[in-house]
Amino acid sequence: SAVISQKPSRDICQRGTSLTIQCQVDSQVTMMFWYRQQPGQSLTLIATANQGSEATYESGFVIDKFPISRPNLTFSTLTVSNMSPEDSSIYLCSVEWGGEDTQYFGPGTRLTVL
Amino acid sequence: GENVEQHPSTLSVQEGDSAVIKCTYSDSASNYFPWYKQELGKRPQLIIDIRSNVGEKKDQRIAVTLNKTAKHFSLHITETQPEDSAVYFCAASKNNNDMRFGAGTRLTVKP
Repeated sequence: SAVISQKPSRDICQRGTSLTIQCQVDSQVTMMFWYRQQPGQSLTLIATANQGSEATYESGFVIDKFPISRPNLTFSTLTVSNMSPEDSSIYLCSVEWGGEDTQYFGPGTRLTVL
Repeated sequence: GENVEQHPSTLSVQEGDSAVIKCTYSDSASNYFPWYKQELGKRPQLIIDIRSNVGEKKDQRIAVTLNKTAKHFSLHITETQPEDSAVYFCAASKNNNDMRFGAGTRLTVKP
């Protein structure tokens, strides 16, 4: 499978600020995804990030709050804007690998908002 | 959209026993059903998956079954070991769009 890394691995931020999370893959992939996992909860899809087009957001998530970039086939960023304590969560990127719907996850970014 | 329900939420078994986790889905067009294992503080790891054209798949001690008519699929772990202790998530998707995860099952294997 592809090797996926995320930066930062964790961060503690003040409310009202923004944090950009980076996801890097060691191979070119068409589809990348961003998920949120709140403490003790399941994974919720935020958006699908395809290179060369606007990200597609799921219900309940908007571009102004979670802007996404996908400048090439190996990299994507997710920004959590104007943060509040409710944004405290683990944010994970995933990639489709092997061309058969299979998704592999990055290590996640643990965000705490004070 | 797709809705995935997972049961039980917690499961405790004795080492060597079998464990079964069940999921149901709502969208009959869903055609891909992966299972992920997540250990504490780590990323979800794909352990097995099944597609809608297959009824059963096995990989060593792990097997998954799919009943398309009833829209449910199950994970079976035989000869459980303490290292199988983790949270397990089922998921369903349609052509890799809109993957939805179950709520998770916390499996504890007692030595």
